[in-house]
Parts: sequence; C-alpha cells; structure tokens
Amino acid sequence: AQSVTQPDIHITVSEGASLELRCNYSYGATPYLFWYVQSPGQGLQLLLKYFSGDTLVQGIKGFEAEFKRSQSSFNLRKPSVHWSDAAEYFCAVGARGGADGLTFGKGTHLIIQP
Amino acid sequence: NAGVTQTPKFRILKIGQSMTLQCTQDMNHNYMYWYRQDPGMGLKLIYYSVGAGITDKGEVPNGYNVSRSTTEDFPLRLELAAPSQTSVYFCASSPRGGTDFKTQYFGPGTRLLVL
Repeated sequence: AQSVTQPDIHITVSEGASLELRCNYSYGATPYLFWYVQSPGQGLQLLLKYFSGDTLVQGIKGFEAEFKRSQSSFNLRKPSVHWSDAAEYFCAVGARGGADGLTFGKGTHLIIQP
Repeated sequence: NAGVTQTPKFRILKIGQSMTLQCTQDMNHNYMYWYRQDPGMGLKLIYYSVGAGITDKGEVPNGYNVSRSTTEDFPLRLELAAPSQTSVYFCASSPRGGTDFKTQYFGPGTRLLVL
C-alpha cells in the first residue's frame, strides 16, 4: 500500500519570499502524484499533477513541483508567495492501476506574514 | 458545468439518527469517491464506485453505506450516527482514462456534527 508524508505541519513564509513544501511517498513503482490546495471552508482544488515524462511540472497560480525518483519526493515550490496563497496544501499519491482513490498526506498549513 | 455538487452543506445529527449525504457530478465521470477529512489527518477514502451498480470499500467504510444507480449520483448513507462520524465529507469524481485518469475533482464538502 502507498503512503504519503508531509513532514511540515505548519510553515510560515513572508509575502514575496520563496516557498517549498515537502512531500515524500512510499510506493513500489512510479505513482501518479498530485498537489491540492484547500482554502478555509472550501473543497480541494488541483494545483498540479505528475503522471510521466518531464519531472518538473507546472501548475496553476505559479506553482511547480519536481518529481525525484531517487528521493521518493514530489516537493512543491513557488518563487514568490502572495497573501492569497495562505491555505492548506495536500500531497497525494495514486496507484497506476485500478480505480481506487488517492492516498493523501496530512497536509501542510501555510501562513503568510505581511 | 457545475462539476461536483454536494448537499447539505452542514448538518447536525443526534446519536443514532441516520441521514444521506447527496453527491452529483455532471462531468460524465465513471469513477466516484467519498472521503472524510478530520483535523490534522488528511483525507481518508470511505467508498468508491467505478460505475453504476458497482461499489467497493475504501480505508474507513465502517458505519457507512453507498449505492450507485446512475453515473451522476453517488449518495453516502450514515446509519446509527455516532460522534466518531463528526467530520467533513467530500465527494469526488474522476474519468476512467485519458490524461485526467485518477485526477480527483472535489465537491465543496458536507460538514457533519453528531451530538
């Protein structure tokens, strides 16, 4: 069975600073990888995903993530954060076969300082 | 397209009561899912369905039931509500194949409080 670890429960970043959110996964092969964002009281919105090919993937809102097979990681980055980026961020992994759902990490709460 | 819609948005139940959480999608997705989200715990899969008439258990199915009579609808039934079922429930759907395979599209959630 797959698993996802997001080591940072909370991260505080100053507005305009760069951001990196960490995600490590456990899976026997190369999985499908996702980052979702959740604003307070809202559902989850897809930021980006990795299926295959280029290991650096671009997403919405200026986010990108890099898949590193050797480190079993899929870290999310943004060069300059905005106050509107304050939210909960979830990394998720999906098996390549079957219809079962995704396995989510516990999330990282991003706080933006003015 | 409305995407994935869920009703109600919020509900308070008494212990032992039952209720059905509704979920509808208009994207013609074959796969549908129910997750629950508890603070600090991420999302856990309750049940999923690959099409009308076919459902399967996820990680935390106890205390819940589902049915799938149409492609669009995937209701979640709580029988004999317990305080441990206090949570936020999310419905999601995804296509069967293509570049969006396994990509979950989420509804806005139903917040349930069991007292």
